[in-house]
Amino acid sequence: DQQVKQNSPSLSVQEGRISILNCDYTNSMFDYFLWYKKYPAEGPTFLISISSIKDKNEDGRFTVFLNKSAKHLSLHIVPSQPGDSAVYFCAAFMDSNYQLIWGAGTKLIIKP
Amino acid sequence: NAGVMQNPRHLVRRRGQEARLRCSPMKGHSHVYWYRQLPEEGLKFMVYLQKENIIDESGMPKERFSAEFPKEGPSILRIQQVVRGDSAAYFCASSATGSGNQPQHFGDGTRLSIL
Repeated sequence: DQQVKQNSPSLSVQEGRISILNCDYTNSMFDYFLWYKKYPAEGPTFLISISSIKDKNEDGRFTVFLNKSAKHLSLHIVPSQPGDSAVYFCAAFMDSNYQLIWGAGTKLIIKP
Repeated sequence: NAGVMQNPRHLVRRRGQEARLRCSPMKGHSHVYWYRQLPEEGLKFMVYLQKENIIDESGMPKERFSAEFPKEGPSILRIQQVVRGDSAAYFCASSATGSGNQPQHFGDGTRLSIL
């Protein structure tokens, strides 16, 4: 049972445009949602998170939106830069069981 | 470098041997997590430890796998009698608290290959 789903294996976006990465979840008990970025042969790097009691969090070029009724969140990157090309993972966390539950990732390719 | 340090970066073992993966958390972090990633998949939780205690090992296979985080020294993930299916990338993360409002920070992983 996949609790966190990223349905797009890959996404290609023109440099300077907006990148929108999507994530769906099934468990309404999650307390936090996090986005990580991963380059090949490296560990995931934390980008941004959002508490389940919020609907938006912004940090520089990155904004995460949470729609609890739809059990959906998205990561917006504006403007997209070549260095943003990586695999992006959505992860969810419950304070009661400490585990990060991960999606399968979306590979973002920024075209020059 | 004050980040999470994992070693070795690559480890090759023959079937039946033992694999030991080490993780030093970020300075000031006392919460350590181990995850496993298979190709084309997300990370899967294995175990959560604090100093000298295993808090949650629900993601770890019952046999052959063990983890520790001693009072002194790094956390160790130990796999005995390795099999081909153990080939994966193993990531360690650490956090300042066990709460989701303090994100987990990851090392660069150990890539385990079983011949």
